[in-house]
Amino acid sequence: SQTIHQWPATLVQPVGSPLSLECTVEGTSNPNLYWYRQAAGRGLQLLFYSVGIGQISSEVPQNLSASRPQDRQFILSSKKLLLSDSGFYLCAWKGGSYNEQFFGPGTRLTVL
Amino acid sequence: RKEVEQDPGPFNVPEGATVAFNCTYSNSASQSFFWYRQDCRKEPKLLMSVYSSGNEDGRFTAQLNRASQYISLLIRDSKLSDSATYLCVVTPYSNSGYALNFGKGTSLLVTP
Repeated sequence: SQTIHQWPATLVQPVGSPLSLECTVEGTSNPNLYWYRQAAGRGLQLLFYSVGIGQISSEVPQNLSASRPQDRQFILSSKKLLLSDSGFYLCAWKGGSYNEQFFGPGTRLTVL
Repeated sequence: RKEVEQDPGPFNVPEGATVAFNCTYSNSASQSFFWYRQDCRKEPKLLMSVYSSGNEDGRFTAQLNRASQYISLLIRDSKLSDSATYLCVVTPYSNSGYALNFGKGTSLLVTP
């Protein structure tokens, strides 16, 4: 069966510090992968998606970036965090015949 | 206009009650439709996909009306464990790798 992992689970970082969040998927190959953010009191917002190694599409302009160095690894990064980067970051993969997506446990980021 | 709109609630209902959630979407070319459930500070989990003919899974029934661009979720015989936020989700036909568009969610509290 497929599983998706994210780490760390929680993170507290100062403004201006770098960020690296990691997501890995097991039990599937060449999945579509997604990064979403859920800010307090707001809905989930798509940040990036990837249909394959080295292929990244960005949905919103921001100071974040994403990379996919391996088939089942998706990384979200920032060189300098802003206060507005605080939120719940969720990685997902697309499975099933109806475009369902399945989420990892998420990383809760607080920027101080 | 928001792409996916839901009544935020909260819906407070007693155990055993029947409760219905509604959702509208703006993109008439939308392809796939889902209801996700999100517990507090957890990742969203797929509750059920919504098919054109409507579908049922135990106490849960989902309906889709493409002409009105409207999706519903009916929960019968509510349980305490049904307390959560229910997210209406739509996948538009686009180049964004079938990324999901989320409503902000409807909060349900089932009380003894």
